[in-house]
Amino acid sequence: GQNIDQPTEMTATEGAIVQINCTYQTSGFNGLFWYQQHAGEAPTFLSYNVLDGLEEKGRFSSFLSRSKGYSYLLLKELQMKDSASYLCAASGYALNFGKGTSLLVTP
Amino acid sequence: GAVVSQHPSRVICKSGTSVKIECRSLDFQATTMFWYRQFPKKSLMLMATSNEGSKATYEQGVEKDKFLINHASLTLSTLTVTSAHPEDSSFYICSARFGPADEQFFGPGTRLTVL
Repeated sequence: GQNIDQPTEMTATEGAIVQINCTYQTSGFNGLFWYQQHAGEAPTFLSYNVLDGLEEKGRFSSFLSRSKGYSYLLLKELQMKDSASYLCAASGYALNFGKGTSLLVTP
Repeated sequence: GAVVSQHPSRVICKSGTSVKIECRSLDFQATTMFWYRQFPKKSLMLMATSNEGSKATYEQGVEKDKFLINHASLTLSTLTVTSAHPEDSSFYICSARFGPADEQFFGPGTRLTVL
């Protein structure tokens, strides 16, 4: 079965750091994706973790623990344009998405 | 990165009509494409897996006779919503896998409104 949980909403201040957590239970798991989605637009790729540990890419980092079924997306130096929905997706054959975390960045 | 296009980006139709949405991989060949649907403030839900040269695989609860999928070439998959009804109004997004990480690249989506 597939079960992916992430917080529904988060608010953070411009310039701050925010961590979005995701827990998953999925059969045939072979990797964890994070996508960013602005309202009315298709998702865009942010990161992919297949091994345990932290992957850093500019202001965004993603962490995976396969044994705990846990991942997080870390956003540093938040900007107003980072206000969006962040989708955690577990990869089997297709992608199974969480419901997304709506992040609001305030001045 | 790989580019996936969709056409049309928006469509408004009357109830009972059929609507065809095209998904193209522009700079790579995709033997498999995926069709997702997203209702407002909801997550993307996989509808079906489109396989080049064979029948699509539909997720549970998705009517294959209503959502016709054709993947006639390595760069084109089409989704036809037959006899559309207002409850079919949604954001339809396709994707294709590419690259060493098997990353899914998404098309820009098609906003369908059925009146």
